[in-house]
Amino acid sequence: DAMVIQNPRYQVTQFGKPVTLSCSQTLNHNVMYWYQQKSSQAPKLLFHYYDKDFNNEADTPDNFQSRRPNTSFCFLDIRSPGLGDAAMYLCATSRLTGEAFFGQGTRLTVV
Amino acid sequence: AQSVAQPEDQVNVAEGNPLTVKCTYSVSGNPYLFWYVQYPNRGLQFLLKYITGDNLVKGSYGFEAEFNKSQTSFHLKKPSALVSDSALYFCAVRDGDSGGYNKLIFGAGTRLAVHP
Repeated sequence: DAMVIQNPRYQVTQFGKPVTLSCSQTLNHNVMYWYQQKSSQAPKLLFHYYDKDFNNEADTPDNFQSRRPNTSFCFLDIRSPGLGDAAMYLCATSRLTGEAFFGQGTRLTVV
Repeated sequence: AQSVAQPEDQVNVAEGNPLTVKCTYSVSGNPYLFWYVQYPNRGLQFLLKYITGDNLVKGSYGFEAEFNKSQTSFHLKKPSALVSDSALYFCAVRDGDSGGYNKLIFGAGTRLAVHP
């Protein structure tokens, strides 16, 4: 019944060690989003895909990359995590103009 | 610039009483408005949306929201609060400059605490 699935739910990584977060969806939505949320603040959009078209927000650091190999999967790669990258990372999907459906999130800890 | 404001960091209400969580917005063009709820260490759950039509929108878990164009508000309401409604609530508006896709601008969030 789950529609947007994020793995893992909790991730601990070392300072500077690359880490990948994954997201899959069963909704067949065109658009997939990655948000960063710190300390119960408002989610901040990092980037999104419309089908295979990648769109980066202007203020997203170069340290963050993404891949979408097919409609169902999307990955967030953090090349060199810093302490400031510790956050909840939320994946979401939508049709072009419909409401967004969010996954449960991955809480990233950087040690 | 487009924005969403949630003027209250926290709302406290007794179980069984009505609740209101406030949201005001500023957008160019027609607003697409959303409410989401977030429980601790979970993702956001969609509650309801306003695109067009009736100003009173009904959503999940007994929540509703009233769109008021003249006051540029979209307050979330529930007639009778439950302790289980305690969570973080986000109002969001679609960014009208997002080129057609559903980029959301979120408010800062309001923490709702329902006391027994």
